[in-house]
Amino acid sequence: KQEVTQIPAALSVPEGENLVLNCSFTDSAIYNLQWFRQDPGKGLTSLLLIQSSQREQTSGRLNASLDKSSGRSTLYIAASQPGDSATYLCAALSGGGADGLTFGKGTHLIIQP
Amino acid sequence: EPEVTQTPSHQVTQMGQEVILRCVPISNHLYFYWYRQILGQKVEFLVSFYNNEISEKSEIFDDQFSVERPDGSNFTLKIRSTKLEDSAMYFCASQQSYEQYFGPGTRLTVT
Repeated sequence: KQEVTQIPAALSVPEGENLVLNCSFTDSAIYNLQWFRQDPGKGLTSLLLIQSSQREQTSGRLNASLDKSSGRSTLYIAASQPGDSATYLCAALSGGGADGLTFGKGTHLIIQP
Repeated sequence: EPEVTQTPSHQVTQMGQEVILRCVPISNHLYFYWYRQILGQKVEFLVSFYNNEISEKSEIFDDQFSVERPDGSNFTLKIRSTKLEDSAMYFCASQQSYEQYFGPGTRLTVT
């Protein structure tokens, strides 16, 4: 059974810093890995999707990497801004389209102005 | 940009009552999902739906739960007899090219 863990659980940094959020998964036979942002009491916004054959994906100030063999993914946020404050979730898709995502518990990020 | 919508945003019900949560997936998507998130816990997969039938379901999705696509646009989750532990955020999602897009959620409070 797939398990997804995110470290750290919470992170507070000053505005402008670059930061890395970590995600690990126990079963390396994933189909893809998806990073989401969740604001308090809101839904999940998809940030980046990395297919199992890819090593990284970039969108603006965000860069996500994937190392299947070690069961790890990282989300790099460059030049952080107060608007980046949210909970960041990673989720692994272990099967095909019918399967559900397995989520980590998230990293609660606060960017101090 | 197309998005998944859900209604209601908040539902309060008494224990033992039936509730129906509604979702409108993105129109050209073929796979639909329900997830739940109990306060302070992980988002958990409940069920996936494709071609008008359940594709996969988790152990959470017991006989108290059912899903339906009653017409060409709506996708519903029914809980027959709610329990206190059903209180959670329920998210609907739809998928294209293996990327899942989530709705804003329905907060279900069972009293």
